Amino acid sequence: DAGVIQSPRHEVTEMGQEVTLRCKPISGHDYLFWYRQTMMRGLELLIYFNNNVPIDDSGMPEDRFSAKMPNASFSTLKIQPSEPRDSAVYFCASSSQRGLIRRGETQYFGPGTRLLVL
Amino acid sequence: AQSVTQLGSHVSVSEGALVLLRCNYSSSVPPYLFWYVQYPNQGLQLLLKYTSAATLVKGINGFEAEFKKSETSFHLTKPSAHMSDAAEYFCAVSEHAGGTSYGKLTFGQGTILTVHP
Repeated sequence: DAGVIQSPRHEVTEMGQEVTLRCKPISGHDYLFWYRQTMMRGLELLIYFNNNVPIDDSGMPEDRFSAKMPNASFSTLKIQPSEPRDSAVYFCASSSQRGLIRRGETQYFGPGTRLLVL
Repeated sequence: AQSVTQLGSHVSVSEGALVLLRCNYSSSVPPYLFWYVQYPNQGLQLLLKYTSAATLVKGINGFEAEFKKSETSFHLTKPSAHMSDAAEYFCAVSEHAGGTSYGKLTFGQGTILTVHP
């Protein structure tokens, strides 16, 4: 398997522009997570999905952020409008809990998207 | 609610020395515990995990961690550091099945390990 795929790997944009980050989870995984990593705040969970349904979006910073998972193999995280304080590395991760309900399952991380908002 | 505290944001050791990275957790239910490693400009990679089997867990690259319920700790160790171990290490906790946050990981703030010759 190719692992979790994220695109783009790097994004530079200007304040006010819309930014869309993309993620393809590992085939067969039924959980998908979006994280943000900054020096100041460390690794933060933004939102996660189970079977394409958002389960917990309490980490989404504000209404400018939205995430969708239209099918089991694709998710997007959108920022509109973007601001300089959104500059961070955004990670997508996936895991499979099916049939392993009594065991902690590993989250597999993508390589991340490094976002810079000028 | 779960939380993880990693003591020491930076740890520096000599090559060949013992590595000890500390992690304490807080959880209202029996937890699952994980250590992840992040190399520069890469995503996180699982080192090892505790899932209520053996309390001493062995992972990749010679790392191991011991779950101590009485101390609510899950410290990561390696007997002899190698230059290639230089990275950032994250401790994480998740709930057992049945918890309201099942599937969700809560990460510590990370510890940057520096290995010098």
